[in-house]
Amino acid sequence: EVQLLESGGGLVQPGGSLRLSCAASGFTFSSYAMSWVRQAPGKGLEWVSAISGSGGSTYYADSVKGRFTISRDNSKNTLYLQMNSLRAEDTAVYYCAKDQSSNRVVVVAADYWGQGTLVTVSS
Amino acid sequence: DIQMTQSPSSLSASVGDRVTITCQASQDISNYLNWYQQKPGKAPKLLIYDASNLETGVPSRFSGSGSGTDFTFTISSLQPEDIATYYCQQYDNLPPAWTFGQGTKVEIK
Repeated sequence: EVQLLESGGGLVQPGGSLRLSCAASGFTFSSYAMSWVRQAPGKGLEWVSAISGSGGSTYYADSVKGRFTISRDNSKNTLYLQMNSLRAEDTAVYYCAKDQSSNRVVVVAADYWGQGTLVTVSS
Repeated sequence: DIQMTQSPSSLSASVGDRVTITCQASQDISNYLNWYQQKPGKAPKLLIYDASNLETGVPSRFSGSGSGTDFTFTISSLQPEDIATYYCQQYDNLPPAWTFGQGTKVEIK
């Protein structure tokens, strides 16, 4: 059974940093591109970042480029999102998501999602 | 950047009704369009991929159509468990990125 379990969320002050993790199981992690998607309270979905299965290709939304870094450790079946210079507008539930098909460079359609972890940026 | 315009933002329908949601892209996206269902407090669930393909395990009352710039999502017979917010999502590859529609909240009348 595919499982994605996010952790690392919490309360952080503006300008601070946080690292989110997504522990994956039930599939060959290194064969699948992964993404982070966020949802501000009461708002819609916003794509944040994506990474290829090997980790060699990474992509970011303009809203987080230069502040967030996506990475993965395929030996630990874990996806990460390092978030620096956090702003109030980064407050959201952050979901990790798996691509539907293996061996694609990016996530085209996400067939499994984690339960989400809440990041609150506030003083 | 490609913009997605989803409508309506909300709708109320009776059990058994046919429900239709539309999504329009600001430029041709071929069939790079997916539909997700999100229930309150839950993660999104993939229903339709590549505009018209039903994800495994998804009931056949859900369907999608369209290509280019205009897409439609249909629930042929609304059920109480279909109460949720539905999102379209387009995939761009130059550079790779996603854009979601604004969402449609479906309620029972």
